[in-house]
Amino acid sequence: SAVISQKPSRDICQRGTSLTIQCQVDSQVTMMFWYRQQPGQSLTLIATANQGSEATYESGFVIDKFPISRPNLTFSTLTVSNMSPEDSSIYLCSVEDPSGTDEQYFGPGTRLTVT
Amino acid sequence: GENVEQHPSTLSVQEGDSAVIKCTYSDSASNYFPWYKQELGKRPQLIIDIRSNVGEKKDQRIAVTLNKTAKHFSLHITETQPEDSAVYFCAGGSYIPTFGRGTSLIVHP
Repeated sequence: SAVISQKPSRDICQRGTSLTIQCQVDSQVTMMFWYRQQPGQSLTLIATANQGSEATYESGFVIDKFPISRPNLTFSTLTVSNMSPEDSSIYLCSVEDPSGTDEQYFGPGTRLTVT
Repeated sequence: GENVEQHPSTLSVQEGDSAVIKCTYSDSASNYFPWYKQELGKRPQLIIDIRSNVGEKKDQRIAVTLNKTAKHFSLHITETQPEDSAVYFCAGGSYIPTFGRGTSLIVHP
């Protein structure tokens, strides 16, 4: 298994500003994932972050809006840039099981409200 | 890419009844099908998963069945309890799973 922490747990931001969310894992993992979960909705994959390479973004998500860093095997950040109220959501990081199974573990999420 | 459909969106049962949530997938190459439980305000947690070389898997009161031919899989919860109330997500894929839209399960005492 993996223990994942995220900072901040929640934030209220003004439109036009940016917020960087941090994700820390207690084990080294190759792949880290960033998801968005809008209120009452499912989980939508934003991008996959691999250490030493650029993140891979899913359709509908772009690097200019959601820049991602992955400086090492236990840490990643997601920035939500130039925010609008439509960005209000829960952002979750996730990792693959460090022991190599297909299982995914999720962080506690960051609840973002944009006013 | 993979498309996962999940039904029903809401399921209300009496304590002690069984609950069944069904999902279908589109990509015949998908080989991993996890189920997650998300309680209000909490993170999704894996409760059971099944791989394409298995037709059924059980863990106490929960079971998952997979029909590869029909491309559908189901979650079965028996003897439901109020603490089973949550949103359940199915997922499927061969690399990074795609999530279904979720089922809100309400178990009435």
